[in-house]
Amino acid sequence: EAQVTQNPRYLITVTGKKLTVTCSQNMNHEYMSWYRQDPGLGLRQIYYSMNVEVTDKGDVPEGYKVSRKEKRNFPLILESPSPNQTSLYFCASRRGNEVYEQYFGPGTRLTVT
Amino acid sequence: GQQLNQSPQSMFIQEGEDVSMNCTSSSIFNTWLWYKQDPGEGPVLLIALYKAGELTSNGRLTAQFGITRKDSFLNISASIPSDVGIYFCAGFNTGTASKLTFGTGTRLQVTL
Repeated sequence: EAQVTQNPRYLITVTGKKLTVTCSQNMNHEYMSWYRQDPGLGLRQIYYSMNVEVTDKGDVPEGYKVSRKEKRNFPLILESPSPNQTSLYFCASRRGNEVYEQYFGPGTRLTVT
Repeated sequence: GQQLNQSPQSMFIQEGEDVSMNCTSSSIFNTWLWYKQDPGEGPVLLIALYKAGELTSNGRLTAQFGITRKDSFLNISASIPSDVGIYFCAGFNTGTASKLTFGTGTRLQVTL
């Protein structure tokens, strides 16, 4: 089954404790991205990657890092989480830069205390 | 970064009623998309629109690409309980770093 998976689905952590949210897709998609969803603000792009070793900032990249060492994986790293990063995070993938149809993971709800 | 404004922000309707929501942008898009997010899940694509004035249906859902290319509308007819969720519009332009720009979302609640 074609899918995007994220882990963990739920995470409660404390300020400053480094964490990684993993994302993996099995559709051989070139383009992957991370979003955060906040009430009243919709989905905002954090980082994206057009292919292996090619990443770039989205609209709200501060406080986040990503890497794309393999085509299927695109982890999101919070080196020093802060309470304003409490949010619902979604990973997404699509076949290529010119293709609009995007597939989303199930989401990771992060709480930073 | 740009965001698209959706209205209404939320709506409570009775089963069987029709629903209308819209999305506006300050800039032009070549493609408009509508997504639905079920509770506890990621958004799923419902409808894609490719040219100004286009009207497209998917079952009880009908969406329109505005003439100005700066807005889009979604209608749901005869709502049912499984229509509950958050509906997002998104605009897309191809280019060097094509990206989807999402709306702020419309939360729909359906009562029996």
